Amino acid sequence: EAQVTQNPRYLITVTGKKLTVTCSQNMNHEYMSWYRQDPGLGLRQIYYSMNVEVTDKGDVPEGYKVSRKEKRNFPLILESPSPNQTSLYFCASSLLQSGLYEQYFGPGTRLTVT
Amino acid sequence: RKEVEQDPGPFNVPEGATVAFNCTYSNSASQSFFWYRQDCRKEPKLLMSVYSSGNEDGRFTAQLNRASQYISLLIRDSKLSDSATYLCVVNRGGTASKLTFGTGTRLQVTL
Repeated sequence: EAQVTQNPRYLITVTGKKLTVTCSQNMNHEYMSWYRQDPGLGLRQIYYSMNVEVTDKGDVPEGYKVSRKEKRNFPLILESPSPNQTSLYFCASSLLQSGLYEQYFGPGTRLTVT
Repeated sequence: RKEVEQDPGPFNVPEGATVAFNCTYSNSASQSFFWYRQDCRKEPKLLMSVYSSGNEDGRFTAQLNRASQYISLLIRDSKLSDSATYLCVVNRGGTASKLTFGTGTRLQVTL
């Protein structure tokens, strides 16, 4: 089954404790991206990757890191989480074809930082 | 002005009704437009792409008006299962990688 998986699905942590949210896709997509979703603000892009070893900042990259060492994986790293990073996080992937960029989303990771 | 603006709703409509959502975008260079559907705090899923000539998929019709910079979604014969939040999504012209999501319009279909 074609899918994007994220782990963990739920995480409660404390300020300053480094964490990683994993994202993996099995569709051989070149493009992967991380979003956060907050009430009233919609989905905002954190980082994206056009291919292996190619990453770039989205709209709200502060406090986050990513890496793309393999095509299928795109982990999101919070080196020193803070309460304002409490949010619902989605990973997404898509093919890079001209015109259509349907994004396939993972099920989401609900992160709470206390 | 927000890059993508939608009426947050909620739109409460009876089953069988026709309902329309509009979405305005500010970047005139945008080239790709989509409607996504999101059920309560679940992942968004593509409902349909929006083409210049307009397109229809069953009970759903999407239209694009480049001159006025808005897109619309029409749902005919609403079903209870259509209850969800509908997200308007626009790419930033020339950059395939950057999509801007609206905050969504919530639809509640009732008996």
